[in-house]
Amino acid sequence: SQQGEEDPQALSIQEGENATMNCSYKTSINNLQWYRQNSGRGLVHLILIRSNEREKHSGRLRVTLDTSKKSSSLLITASRAADTASYFCATDAGTGNQFYFGTGTSLTVIP
Amino acid sequence: EADIYQTPRYLVIGTGKKITLECSQTMGHDKMYWYQQDPGMELHLIHYSYGVNSTEKGDLSSESTVSRIRTEHFPLTLESARPSHTSQYLCASSESLQGYGYTFGSGTRLTVV
Repeated sequence: SQQGEEDPQALSIQEGENATMNCSYKTSINNLQWYRQNSGRGLVHLILIRSNEREKHSGRLRVTLDTSKKSSSLLITASRAADTASYFCATDAGTGNQFYFGTGTSLTVIP
Repeated sequence: EADIYQTPRYLVIGTGKKITLECSQTMGHDKMYWYQQDPGMELHLIHYSYGVNSTEKGDLSSESTVSRIRTEHFPLTLESARPSHTSQYLCASSESLQGYGYTFGSGTRLTVV
């Protein structure tokens, strides 16, 4: 399966700390994306990184991509209680058309 | 806020009933998708469409069907619901060009009793 696997499955941190989540995948990709899902809701697109990019920033988010290791990481700096959610990575298996989602990391930020 | 709408938000129905989950988007996206997600689990692609009159099955076998008669509308139908269909169904759309993220609806949580 091309589906990404996030690590850890669950993460609990204090407000103000940084949170790092990792994603590993199996085959070559064109793009990798990160999404956030609040409990019982749809997913919200956070950031897309292309296979020829190594790092990308968006506000408090920093995404890195290592295609040689087939892995990506999402760093949330100075976390807030509102960041509590599940975070998913999605990869396109080189097609650029369909994206395959991993099992997600459940992040809890304690006020 | 995302311009993609799913109705109903919650649905509880009896076994054997026919149901249609609605999904509409106002962004003019050609590509639309249906995912199934059990609580705390990954998303599985069950159907997708790249434009009007184009529909394909995804990786997860599903007893549902879809139609795409209008660009903005991508309904999913279960002819005879079963308890095994209990799940959350998420609709998404995206630009035609590669390199764009998906916009998701809020989902329909279906319970078949």
